[in-house]
Amino acid sequence: DTEVTQTPKHLVMGMTNKKSLKCEQHMGHRAMYWYKQKAKKPPELMFVYSYEKLSINESVPSRFSPECPNSSLLNLHLHALQPEDSALYLCASSHQTGNNYGYTFGSGTRLTVV
Amino acid sequence: QKEVEQDPGPLSVPEGAIVSLNCTYSNSAFQYFMWYRQYSRKGPELLMYTYSSGNKEDGRFTAQVDKSSKYISLFIRDSQPSDSATYLCAMSGFDSNYQLIWGAGTKLIIKP
Repeated sequence: DTEVTQTPKHLVMGMTNKKSLKCEQHMGHRAMYWYKQKAKKPPELMFVYSYEKLSINESVPSRFSPECPNSSLLNLHLHALQPEDSALYLCASSHQTGNNYGYTFGSGTRLTVV
Repeated sequence: QKEVEQDPGPLSVPEGAIVSLNCTYSNSAFQYFMWYRQYSRKGPELLMYTYSSGNKEDGRFTAQVDKSSKYISLFIRDSQPSDSATYLCAMSGFDSNYQLIWGAGTKLIIKP
């Protein structure tokens, strides 16, 4: 299994809503990542989990809250988002953070905040 | 100056042509070099991975890294309309804590 699965594929939420994005991988990777991608821009790193512990938070606003329940799952909890947070949210995984044999990305969740 | 420079295009070529995509970078500590392909509304897909300098070939794709010039290339032979996508270069090293530093991405259009 060489996939990273993200759900939902599309999400529309109001600024007062709470929602969660989910990511799952079964490749035995021990590093997992959340990225945000705006149109015609490269992915922008948000969070890195290494061995289920948060190792990097790229100064992301607290309205984004990551969680890694186990080595296969990664969640991103969303609360009180702004319209400018609308973007493609990508999950990725790799063998480990210092091992750069490339990241495997999911197809993303396209988020629209209204 | 950005750490990684990549022409955003678009680059439009006829089917069957050889495509050359390039990135330049400024950080000599980069050791790992990757090319990703991203179709519209999809996540990036790893195409090629190279450690340090040299060439790597996989089917119609060839990746080249010239560390002395801080220049990497991706060549696509016998290009197909299905190759139309955005191609992103990415690189990393100990300076970036091994996190990926991305180019802007080049939009490639292969005309039938």
